[in-house]
Amino acid sequence: DAGVTQSPTHLIKTRGQHVTLRCSPISGHKSVSWYQQVLGQGPQFIFQYYEKEERGRGNFPDRFSARQFPNYSSELNVNALLLGDSALYLCASSLHPDSSYEQYFGPGTRLTVT
Amino acid sequence: SQQGEEDPQALSIQEGENATMNCSYKTSINNLQWYRQNSGRGLVHLILIRSNEREKHSGRLRVTLDTSKKSSSLLITASRAADTASYFCATDGLSGGSNYKLTFGKGTLLTVNP
Repeated sequence: DAGVTQSPTHLIKTRGQHVTLRCSPISGHKSVSWYQQVLGQGPQFIFQYYEKEERGRGNFPDRFSARQFPNYSSELNVNALLLGDSALYLCASSLHPDSSYEQYFGPGTRLTVT
Repeated sequence: SQQGEEDPQALSIQEGENATMNCSYKTSINNLQWYRQNSGRGLVHLILIRSNEREKHSGRLRVTLDTSKKSSSLLITASRAADTASYFCATDGLSGGSNYKLTFGKGTLLTVNP
């Protein structure tokens, strides 16, 4: 079975632009979480979706939004990009949203904002 | 904000030696997990230890958990050059029912020299 896939792998955007990142979970996984990892730091939780409903939101501004589709894939949208949004964006899928279930991470999307 | 703090920030050892990394956290947890990350790519789940467990083994990995001290340690025995990576601890949170998100520390960069 394929693991979690993310697209694109790398992305360069200009300040003020908008970006959409995509994630396909492992087949059968209905929970998708998004994390932001700034260089030299650990990942920080952005969103979790389960069965197409938002289950949790981290401490990120409203410029960040996400959604989950009927096939359980997910998109993360970031509006009005800032230089500080440059980071590795990680998607993780799991069978269940409860944290006791193992989360499987994708390879990430490296976003650079210039 | 980061819940867990790994110690040391960086560790350099020779192949065959053991590596010990520590993690401290602040709030009560349901479980604690350790992840590995190679060169800024996706995270790989290593082991999960529940709050009612004190020690867990998986291959060359040994994890301990002391909930009274709010700390955990990860021991990698007989290290190999392929173990070179960043290691993160991640906790969920009992408070506020936020058992859906993981809070990561800043990580320990382990270098295993051949």
